[in-house]
Amino acid sequence: GAGVSQSPSNKVTEKGKDVELRCDPISGHTALYWYRQSLGQGLEFLIYFQGNSAPDKSGLPSDRFSAERTGGSVSTLTIQRTQQEDSAVYLCASRPGGGGANEQFFGPGTRLTVL
Amino acid sequence: GDSVTQMEGPVTLSEEAFLTINCTYTATGYPSLFWYVQYPGEGLQLLLKATKADDKGSNKGFEATYRKETTSFHLEKGSVQVSDSAVYFCALSPRSGFQKLVFGTGTRLLVSP
Repeated sequence: GAGVSQSPSNKVTEKGKDVELRCDPISGHTALYWYRQSLGQGLEFLIYFQGNSAPDKSGLPSDRFSAERTGGSVSTLTIQRTQQEDSAVYLCASRPGGGGANEQFFGPGTRLTVL
Repeated sequence: GDSVTQMEGPVTLSEEAFLTINCTYTATGYPSLFWYVQYPGEGLQLLLKATKADDKGSNKGFEATYRKETTSFHLEKGSVQVSDSAVYFCALSPRSGFQKLVFGTGTRLLVSP
């Protein structure tokens, strides 16, 4: 079946603009994660959604970052008033809910460049 | 908090050489352990996993054993190929809570013919 998809694959924006990044998880996966991969910070967790529960936002670096997940499926990560330090690859991952070994399936990522 | 430490790269090897990439972790309880691989221009792919002490994960000739006593999960392969050139990430996930992945910094492997 189809894997996790993300769009756009690349985004170049000017400092101060808002951007939206989209993630389509694997069908039936109830858990969804956003991570950020940057040169200085490596791979870091941003936010987690599980079903209809309130998301865990503990990894969001500032209040300029927000995310939502509509209908338990597609998720959008929004960055307001982008800064140059937001430049990174934003990765989305999903997994089936419940227990198990927490194998997460990753999308190809969105490369964000803030000029 | 939980953390993963893996060896700095790049690791440069000739084809058919033996590979070891060291990974150690700090975690509360007994996490699940993973190796992910990122080939050039591609996303992260799960390479192998282990969920309890002494488990050995294996895939594509790669192996790693969950060592609780040394809190390690070293990645090994007996004979690397040029196609193994990639960045390898060690990661852990707590068994409880929302199970976010905590990654090491990644190790770039370069295999020459």
